[in-house]
Amino acid sequence: DTEVTQTPKHLVMGMTNKKSLKCEQHMGHRAMYWYKQKAKKPPELMFVYSYEKLSINESVPSRFSPECPNSSLLNLHLHALQPEDSALYLCASRDIRNTEAFFGQGTRLTVV
Amino acid sequence: AQTVTQSQPEMSVQEAETVTLSCTYDTSESDYYLFWYKQPPSRQMILVIRQEAYKQQNATENRFSVNFQKAAKSFSLKISDSQLGDAAMYFCAYIQNRDDKIIFGKGTRLHILP
Repeated sequence: DTEVTQTPKHLVMGMTNKKSLKCEQHMGHRAMYWYKQKAKKPPELMFVYSYEKLSINESVPSRFSPECPNSSLLNLHLHALQPEDSALYLCASRDIRNTEAFFGQGTRLTVV
Repeated sequence: AQTVTQSQPEMSVQEAETVTLSCTYDTSESDYYLFWYKQPPSRQMILVIRQEAYKQQNATENRFSVNFQKAAKSFSLKISDSQLGDAAMYFCAYIQNRDDKIIFGKGTRLHILP
């Protein structure tokens, strides 16, 4: 199983809403990532978790709050987002024994 | 800071022909890996090929091969016998093992002409 599963696939939320994105992998990978991708742009790194601890935060606004409840699950909690936060949010995982990162299909987020 | 540069925003190639996508990178790290990922309109990021920096031999995966020039910090992707299904955005990516950071180039959109 080399799958990273993201839910939901699409999300529309208002600027006052609170929502969460979920990412799951069962490959035993120790590093998990959140990326934000705008149309026709490369993915931008947001957060990296290593062994369930936040290791990198690329100066992401506090309205994005990551959480890693266990080694298989990564959440991204969203609150008071702005329309410019509309993007594709990609989750990825990587294992120390392998070298590449595996990506989920992403969540297409629209903030209205 | 580490950077990855893809100088070709778009490229086109005739079906069955060969095309080369270029990538250069800058790093002072010694323990890193380089990758090419493909992102079709379905938006799933798919690994095409990987290269360990400590290996001199160029990686090959079926119709895909790389030309890795470590001293020049160059990592180009060659696609032979191009197929319609190869049409996608291609990202060159760098991963350093020190902190797991994955850095992407800006991407090259590849069009396959029938």
